[in-house]
Amino acid sequence: AQSVTQPDIHITVSEGASLELRCNYSYGATPYLFWYVQSPGQGLQLLLKYFSGDTLVQGIKGFEAEFKRSQSSFNLRKPSVHWSDAAEYFCAVIPPLSGTYKYIFGTGTRLKVLA
Amino acid sequence: EPEVTQTPSHQVTQMGQEVILRCVPISNHLYFYWYRQILGQKVEFLVSFYNNEISEKSEIFDDQFSVERPDGSNFTLKIRSTKLEDSAMYFCASTATLNTGELFFGEGSRLTVL
Repeated sequence: AQSVTQPDIHITVSEGASLELRCNYSYGATPYLFWYVQSPGQGLQLLLKYFSGDTLVQGIKGFEAEFKRSQSSFNLRKPSVHWSDAAEYFCAVIPPLSGTYKYIFGTGTRLKVLA
Repeated sequence: EPEVTQTPSHQVTQMGQEVILRCVPISNHLYFYWYRQILGQKVEFLVSFYNNEISEKSEIFDDQFSVERPDGSNFTLKIRSTKLEDSAMYFCASTATLNTGELFFGEGSRLTVL
């Protein structure tokens, strides 16, 4: 079935440590790929997106993501996590050939940052 | 910076009551969306709206739901007769074109049905 999967429901890292959040998709062609962050009580904020071209994408707040076609993955990374990064992170896709930009979201990964 | 605003931030209602959630999209945006997030679950697409009509809706968006753009600024989601399972966070989103791929989300309206 076509879907987007975030295997990790919760992740805990220490402040200053590196971070990688996983996202996998299963579509016949490459969808448009996004990472959003939701801080407590806040809406969804776009971190970065990938449509085509360079497979390493830079985003806001020091985040980057790498698209790997062979692994159907779009993992989010940050070299050094700050306490303010504690939030829920959602991978989302727009399926190929979608006409209305209907996002399909993953289940989210909740990040906890230890001081 | 322009933003999508939603009201109310939290609404508590009795089962069977009608609820209207309001959204003011970013002013030059043309495509509008409602999503919902049941507590602990993923964000789900409900409906997209363009040119004063629904362009796509999910199976969740049954006859109890309706959307409207009553004037040039507001975009509303109405639930005609609320059920317990309608309790969720409802997000409005908008975008100017379908070329950028980025949706701008509001902060959400939390609906609690008792």
